[in-house]
Amino acid sequence: KNQVEQSPQSLIILEGKNCTLQCNYTVSPFSNLRWYKQDTGRGPVSLTIMTFSENTKSNGRYTATLDADTKQSSLHITASQLSDSASYICVVGSYGGSQGNLIFGKGTKLSVKP
Amino acid sequence: KAGVTQTPRYLIKTRGQQVTLSCSPISGHRSVSWYQQTPGQGLQFLFEYFSETQRNKGNFPGRFSGRQFSNSRSEMNVSTLELGDSALYLCASSLVWDPKQAKNIQYFGAGTRLSVL
Repeated sequence: KNQVEQSPQSLIILEGKNCTLQCNYTVSPFSNLRWYKQDTGRGPVSLTIMTFSENTKSNGRYTATLDADTKQSSLHITASQLSDSASYICVVGSYGGSQGNLIFGKGTKLSVKP
Repeated sequence: KAGVTQTPRYLIKTRGQQVTLSCSPISGHRSVSWYQQTPGQGLQFLFEYFSETQRNKGNFPGRFSGRQFSNSRSEMNVSTLELGDSALYLCASSLVWDPKQAKNIQYFGAGTRLSVL
């Protein structure tokens, strides 16, 4: 079964600090990997999308990396802000399966404290 | 440009009832997908519509159904509600239907929170 595992489940950091979130996946066939940010009470918002040939993608203070050989991805947040408090969801795009074309991880809940 | 609009935002129903949720995609978007989000399971795919046709369906019982209209608006229906159906139901729209999901960006609505008592 296609799966996306994220770690840690939750994380608390101080404002201004950096952090890295992890994502491991077993999805086949692989099409792309996405990171979403979901604020409380809102729908997810796309941060980055990477295909097989891309190993890094940045969006402001967010930098995602992809190692397709080890099937791992990370999302690095630089100089965190209070507004970064949210759930971050790793999503792997696939096709042809009954799970739909996007397989979602359960997310990492990040809390940024002043 | 208006985003994805889901109505209603909140719903309270009792077991055995049925419910209909609505989703209006971003103007010009023709593909609509539905997801169920619960704390324990995360986001789970329900179904995807494009040009009024269901293109893909997740592993949910037949009590969950949907449809898409000619203006791309979509509805999903849940019949004979169970306690376990309590969840946030999210709708996402994208410009086109992309079976291989190469770089097709989905835009999510804020969701409908359904509570089944």
